[in-house]
Amino acid sequence: AQSVSQHNHHVILSEAASLELGCNYSYGGTVNLFWYVQYPGQHLQLLLKYFSGDPLVKGIKGFEAEFIKSKFSFNLRKPSVQWSDTAEYFCAVTPNFGNEKLTFGTGTRLTIIP
Amino acid sequence: DTGVSQDPRHKITKRGQNVTFRCDPISEHNRLYWYRQTLGQGPEFLTYFQNEAQLEKSRLLSDRFSAERPKGSFSTLEIQRTEQGDSAMYLCASSLRRGGVQETQYFGPGTRLLVL
Repeated sequence: AQSVSQHNHHVILSEAASLELGCNYSYGGTVNLFWYVQYPGQHLQLLLKYFSGDPLVKGIKGFEAEFIKSKFSFNLRKPSVQWSDTAEYFCAVTPNFGNEKLTFGTGTRLTIIP
Repeated sequence: DTGVSQDPRHKITKRGQNVTFRCDPISEHNRLYWYRQTLGQGPEFLTYFQNEAQLEKSRLLSDRFSAERPKGSFSTLEIQRTEQGDSAMYLCASSLRRGGVQETQYFGPGTRLLVL
């Protein structure tokens, strides 16, 4: 069975700072990788996803993530955060075949200070 | 609104009562998933449907839980004899599966259950 680890539980940054949130997964086969975001009072939304191809994927709102297969990692980055990025961020994985059930990490709460 | 909708958004019940939640997926989506999220955790998979067929149930889903998707459109999740440990956010997601291509799951707003 697959599992996902998000090492940062709560990150506090000032506006314009650079962001990197860690995500590592455990699974013996090929995976698809996702970052979801949950803004305060809103439902989970997809930020970006990796299925295959270029390991550097770009998502909405200036976010990007890099899949490093040798490190089983899929870290999320943004060069300059804004106050509106305050949210909870979840990394998730599914096997590359089968029922596509998402396995989520425990999430990282991001607080941006104006 | 063409997104996933869930009803009710909040439910407070007493221990031992039965509750039922409804999920309406995006209309053309043939896959529907239920997840549960407790405080400080990410969502955990409970069960999923392809059209009206329930294809997998997590071990998290005790025999007090039952889910249906009778016509391959909306789905219901029922919890019988609720326990305080059932208090959580229940999330529904849907996706369109075409051939061997995996598609994004779109989530609804969730139903927050509190069992007193």
